[in-house]
Amino acid sequence: QKEVEQDPGPLSVPEGAIVSLNCTYSNSAFQYFMWYRQYSRKGPELLMYTYSSGNKEDGRFTAQVDKSSKYISLFIRDSQPSDSATYLCAMIGSARQLTFGSGTQLTVLP
Amino acid sequence: EPEVTQTPSHQVTQMGQEVILRCVPISNHLYFYWYRQILGQKVEFLVSFYNNEISEKSEIFDDQFSVERPDGSNFTLKIRSTKLEDSAMYFCASSRDDTEAFFGQGTRLTVV
Repeated sequence: QKEVEQDPGPLSVPEGAIVSLNCTYSNSAFQYFMWYRQYSRKGPELLMYTYSSGNKEDGRFTAQVDKSSKYISLFIRDSQPSDSATYLCAMIGSARQLTFGSGTQLTVLP
Repeated sequence: EPEVTQTPSHQVTQMGQEVILRCVPISNHLYFYWYRQILGQKVEFLVSFYNNEISEKSEIFDDQFSVERPDGSNFTLKIRSTKLEDSAMYFCASSRDDTEAFFGQGTRLTVV
């Protein structure tokens, strides 16, 4: 079983839609949960960072962590064409290194 | 806004040659990392560096790899005797507190 699983997509939505991106994980030691956005051939850009279970909101983005289900989500409200990118979930456990999902490719159509 | 800077953006090298990838982390950060991403695959951890020494390394980071912080601002990854399978994007990252990591734009290494 992979440590972090993420549906690769691709996912296409119309402008203005609510987007839901998800990851599951198997390692109970993961404590910190991140979402990165990556444009083609560029470095990952940190969007959201949460510790433990619960929700965190930042503008149009909401990150949700459910440690009991080992499931994390990123919601994007009022999606824009500029949101089109690959979204990577990543996690940190006792080994202080990021373990990434494979990324979900999102296209927001104007 | 402070950012992690990597040079060069693209490096082409012949198999068997040595390459040095350079990074300037964010100035008040204390933890430094190298990750790589082979085309179409996940971002993978290589090594973390803190207090002038390696704190963790992955199985990928074998004897052909080394890291150095030669001065107060630069952080380098050296790959000795490059192989075709070393072709990838190499990302440097830095963190103030060993959690939120900020990435550079990457160096695309092509081994021919």
